[in-house]
Amino acid sequence: DAGVTQSPTHLIKTRGQHVTLRCSPISGHKSVSWYQQVLGQGPQFIFQYYEKEERGRGNFPDRFSARQFPNYSSELNVNALLLGDSALYLCASSLMGITLSSYEQYFGPGTRLTVT
Amino acid sequence: TQLLEQSPQFLSIQEGENLTVYCNSSSVFSSLQWYRQEPGEGPVLLVTVVTGGEVKKLKRLTFQFGDARKDSSLHITAAQPGDTGLYLCAGEGSNDYKLSFGAGTTVTVRA
Repeated sequence: DAGVTQSPTHLIKTRGQHVTLRCSPISGHKSVSWYQQVLGQGPQFIFQYYEKEERGRGNFPDRFSARQFPNYSSELNVNALLLGDSALYLCASSLMGITLSSYEQYFGPGTRLTVT
Repeated sequence: TQLLEQSPQFLSIQEGENLTVYCNSSSVFSSLQWYRQEPGEGPVLLVTVVTGGEVKKLKRLTFQFGDARKDSSLHITAAQPGDTGLYLCAGEGSNDYKLSFGAGTTVTVRA
């Protein structure tokens, strides 16, 4: 079975531009979460979506937005890019069923965003 | 700031030696997960611990969840070069399902 997939793998943007990152969850998983990982740090939570509804938002500015589609795939949008937005953006999916293990999150390979 | 503190930040050992990585917090978590991440890749889930005092073993890896569900440790016996990587702990809140990560411990096992 395919794992979580993300596109693109790498991206270079200029300050002030906007970017859209895409994520396809593991088949059958209904929840998608987005994380930002800056070099030398652990991932920081940005958003969580479940059944197309936002269930949680981390401490990120309104320049960051996301949505989840009927097929459970998701997009993360970042407007007015800053140098500090350079990071690895990770998407994770989970089943969100009735068992405790169904809440475990499985990560994709990430999108490396460089803002110049 | 990281809600979870991991120590040490870096660890370099010889093949065959043992190592322990610690993950501490002042917060209580409903569960705690350990991941290993290699350069340029996403974190890979190793284990989830849920019950205070729980111990789980995965081959040469032993994971323990503190009695108060605020801290955890990862012990690797007879480390191998393939164990090299960034080890991350992540706690899941009681009222939401987001993960709060530590900054990670970079483990290097020399052949």
